[in-house]
Amino acid sequence: DTAVSQTPKYLVTQMGNDKSIKCEQNLGHDTMYWYKQDSKKFLKIMFSYNNKELIINETVPNRFSPKSPDKAHLNLHINSLELGDSAVYFCASSQEGTGAWGYTFGSGTRLTVV
Amino acid sequence: RKEVEQDPGPFNVPEGATVAFNCTYSNSASQSFFWYRQDCRKEPKLLMSVYSSGNEDGRFTAQLNRASQYISLLIRDSKLSDSATYLCNGGYNKLIFGAGTRLAVHP
Repeated sequence: DTAVSQTPKYLVTQMGNDKSIKCEQNLGHDTMYWYKQDSKKFLKIMFSYNNKELIINETVPNRFSPKSPDKAHLNLHINSLELGDSAVYFCASSQEGTGAWGYTFGSGTRLTVV
Repeated sequence: RKEVEQDPGPFNVPEGATVAFNCTYSNSASQSFFWYRQDCRKEPKLLMSVYSSGNEDGRFTAQLNRASQYISLLIRDSKLSDSATYLCNGGYNKLIFGAGTRLAVHP
């Protein structure tokens, strides 16, 4: 009964391909996020959804398209993958939109673009 | 100046040592912060929150210094299992994380 679960855990793909990462939380949280952690370990916000509505989009290329079918799920679709997209992508959730009570992270998806 | 900044370390300390990290923040209106712990190839996990009154949990103490605009994390009696990267989060924009401070505790 993992609180925030992501799939897949590892993803190796060629440049130009399209891939999706799925995330589900069973905490009843209203807000979900996608973070990217690059090779320098810097954790950067990409998107935030509150109750299925996009509230934050941090200058991410439009090749990245999040989708939230309901407040427990937030998926990330990436088109035309590039080498620079290689990173660990973390899904997270929080009780409310400002993260004032802290975040719960999924275990991450390690994406390698070759 | 970045919204939150941390010394990347690494801090190499022997078991039993006391070690402290700081995280400086730029927005003086910031109210609350958090420390997260991230083990190698794992996700960040919430360690403790930091409000104006500070916070203590066993060997860990977190404090907020508003005058100098930094938060601190003090770890007493370090254990090998404390080896990890410690991330600060919060301030005015709670979506922002510091780059992390690496701690390595050796026997």
